[in-house]
Amino acid sequence: AQTVTQSQPEMSVQEAETVTLSCTYDTSESDYYLFWYKQPPSRQMILVIRQEAYKQQNATENRFSVNFQKAAKSFSLKISDSQLGDAAMYFCAYRNPLNEKLTFGTGTRLTIIP
Amino acid sequence: KAGVTQTPRYLIKTRGQQVTLSCSPISGHRSVSWYQQTPGQGLQFLFEYFSETQRNKGNFPGRFSGRQFSNSRSEMNVSTLELGDSALYLCASSLTLSESDTQYFGPGTRLTVL
Repeated sequence: AQTVTQSQPEMSVQEAETVTLSCTYDTSESDYYLFWYKQPPSRQMILVIRQEAYKQQNATENRFSVNFQKAAKSFSLKISDSQLGDAAMYFCAYRNPLNEKLTFGTGTRLTIIP
Repeated sequence: KAGVTQTPRYLIKTRGQQVTLSCSPISGHRSVSWYQQTPGQGLQFLFEYFSETQRNKGNFPGRFSGRQFSNSRSEMNVSTLELGDSALYLCASSLTLSESDTQYFGPGTRLTVL
């Protein structure tokens, strides 16, 4: 069974600094999709960024970028120039091409220090 | 385009009762998935519907059921409620079942079982 591990339950970063959230996963598949979702205190889960496993190039979305290491099964999220609005729970998720469901990690609570 | 909507946003029930939650996907989206979120278990997949058919089911007892209508709206039902069913229930929609399609989440329904 696929598993997703986020080893950092909590992280904090000074405003305007850079922070990296870690995620590792376990799968025997070669093609799959990885996602980072953000869940602010209001609870709406928002897609931050996605990565296709067949693409070697790391995905970027404005201040958000990933470091995707397929052989190591690692998928970390880097947030540059952190802003107060970035404070949230961040979930790493894996989507299985066989049954399409999302498997989530346990989340990392990110605090932004003004 | 309107996002995923879920009703009601909050529910309080007592043990033994049943409850029905509703989800309206983004216009044009035909796949709807349901997830249960609790502090202890995190985010767990309940089931996924596409074209009115259940395509995948998570590891939940038969008290949890769902359905999808021809307009892609979905409902999930929990019968004989238990205290442990208290959770945030999230609905997500995507265009199709393809693993390449991003799932977009609704705000959730907070169910409290007393």
